[in-house]
Amino acid sequence: AQRVTQPEKLLSVFKGAPVELKCNYSYSGSPELFWYVQYSRQRLQLLLRHISRESIKGFTADLNKGETSFHLKKPFAQEEDSAMYYCALSGVYNTDKLIFGTGTRLQVFP
Amino acid sequence: DAGVTQSPTHLIKTRGQQVTLRCSPKSGHDTVSWYQQALGQGPQFIFQYYEEEERQRGNFPDRFSGHQFPNYSSELNVNALLLGDSALYLCASRDRWQGLAGTRDTQYFGPGTRLTVL
Repeated sequence: AQRVTQPEKLLSVFKGAPVELKCNYSYSGSPELFWYVQYSRQRLQLLLRHISRESIKGFTADLNKGETSFHLKKPFAQEEDSAMYYCALSGVYNTDKLIFGTGTRLQVFP
Repeated sequence: DAGVTQSPTHLIKTRGQQVTLRCSPKSGHDTVSWYQQALGQGPQFIFQYYEEEERQRGNFPDRFSGHQFPNYSSELNVNALLLGDSALYLCASRDRWQGLAGTRDTQYFGPGTRLTVL
């Protein structure tokens, strides 16, 4: 079965604390993994994808095929990071059909 | 460019009715996908349209149908509405980038249409 699991509905941290949003997946084949973010009153937007191996707004995510995980990390959280974060996957050769997790709301307190 | 636009923003229907939602893709995008996002859930893929044809479909009944027009805009139709169809319906258009490192597809989402079925 193709599935994305985000075990935490809510993650609350103080500004400057490290953040790790967990994502585990199940997929038969070669997946492409993504993190999408939705800030308050804004539309869903791509944050980063594993293939690009980039850091966006200080966030990074490493694909661990052995543990089937794609956790999102940031060493020092900022208040503006408060948002809803969705982990998603697609097939490497079919990136049009995204499978999303249920999302984690990140709250960063001052 | 306003990006992906959707109309209407909100809609209230009663059980058994039919509804049509509309989407205009981002300028230059020719592929449109529709997602359903129930409260507290992540978006679920309904189907995708390219060249005016349905190319892929998720696990949704035939009550959900769509259309793509020559200008790439799209409609989502839902017949015989059920209470469980109440959700945010998202449209996404695809940007395809091809470079030396390969092809990169990025989905750009619209703001959604909130459908309430009473």
